[in-house]
Amino acid sequence: GIQVEQSPPDLILQEGANSTLRCNFSDSVNNLQWFHQNPWGQLINLFYIPSGTKQNGRLSATTVATERYSLLYISSSQTTDSGVYFCAVEGYSSASKIIFGSGTRLSIRP
Amino acid sequence: GAGVSQSPRYKVAKRGQDVALRCDPISGHVSLFWYQQALGQGPEFLTYFQNEAQLDKSGLPSDRFFAERPEGSVSTLKIQRTQQEDSAVYLCASSLVMGLAGGLGANEQFFGPGTRLTVL
Repeated sequence: GIQVEQSPPDLILQEGANSTLRCNFSDSVNNLQWFHQNPWGQLINLFYIPSGTKQNGRLSATTVATERYSLLYISSSQTTDSGVYFCAVEGYSSASKIIFGSGTRLSIRP
Repeated sequence: GAGVSQSPRYKVAKRGQDVALRCDPISGHVSLFWYQQALGQGPEFLTYFQNEAQLDKSGLPSDRFFAERPEGSVSTLKIQRTQQEDSAVYLCASSLVMGLAGGLGANEQFFGPGTRLTVL
């Protein structure tokens, strides 16, 4: 099945810093989503981005489908950005399964 | 409803007990998914429904796990004779459709808050 790898696994930054999180996937995808899992466990939708670039406030994401990767950018980090960021994909050949990466744990220090 | 809801939020069971976890998807969403998330890991797919039909149950870890969605809306995940290794957060998600049948974005999944199951 499709493999999803995220990097880095852990990231510790000072408030105000910028960061880039990466998601590599091993096959063509129907769907790619970025989620933020907050300290209470809720998965919050950040982006639905099987291809192209989107921006939402301090966050933006780019997926290059032909090269099988996606990037999530966080600018001017705030302590509330802390948590785990997941990339999840639905492959063309594995319809109905959405596969999650292992996540990037982001800690923003005040 | 406004979002996906799940109940109970927390469940403590003694080993060997049966448990039932409920999911209310977003109104009008055709597709419903169950995931299991172990501590420190990403969610893992368990099963998928399109309306009342269970189209994929390949992720269910054993025959002690059973899911249903009899009227194509609310779903229940049942675990029989719970074991300690069943302790995890169980997440439910829904989407308008599956795949690209409904157009781009129609297969975006939205998650509920999860049920944290602890088996003693």
